[in-house]
Amino acid sequence: SYVLTQPPSVSVAPGQTARITCGGNNIGSESVHWYQQKSGQAPVLVVYDDSDRPSGIPERFSGSNSGNTATLTISRVEAGDEADYYCQVWDSNSDQRVFGGGTKLTVL
Amino acid sequence: EVQLLESGGGLVQPGGSLRLSCAASGFTLSSYAMSWVRQGPGKGLEWVSVISGSGDSTNYADSVKGRFTISRDNSKNMLYLQMNSLRVEDTAVYYCAKDPKRVDPSSPFDYWGQGTLVTVSP
Repeated sequence: SYVLTQPPSVSVAPGQTARITCGGNNIGSESVHWYQQKSGQAPVLVVYDDSDRPSGIPERFSGSNSGNTATLTISRVEAGDEADYYCQVWDSNSDQRVFGGGTKLTVL
Repeated sequence: EVQLLESGGGLVQPGGSLRLSCAASGFTLSSYAMSWVRQGPGKGLEWVSVISGSGDSTNYADSVKGRFTISRDNSKNMLYLQMNSLRVEDTAVYYCAKDPKRVDPSSPFDYWGQGTLVTVSP
């Protein structure tokens, strides 16, 4: 089945830019969605279809997708952005939805 | 306001069965596909199953195929997951999640419930 690879952790200082990658074979041809999960809470959709934001999600959250890597970018990081982030796609070959392993974002 | 409320979790022995429910409100359930997603203790998210808005199409992760059955009752605004032949590795928080469309497997999950914990242990 399709495998999505994320770094286990990313650290960034407040006010800086965090970039979380999601690697997959030719992922650029897929629609990638990103979820934020704070400790003890349910996931929240923050970016869908590579780069669109649901209503209520700050413009600081953006996404891109090309080649074998999709990226979630969080600009002007705040302490409240500390969370686990997951990428997700639909694997058309297996007709199953797939999540990456997740990345823990630490705000220093 | 969209709300999803799971129930039915608990402690069950290996080989046992459990039925999870998800009560939906704030939207017309029949207009959207619905999924179950689980998260083992300290682990990442794992998609489990999806059902189309009408209920005539379902799909499952390989890890649960043949053991779990997803269903829905649109008249009652309810989603279900019947879990049989449970294994220790099925221990997880189970979330119900809504698609933004009736049938589109490439869709994201735009709303999630708070989850219900299933523990499979001798």
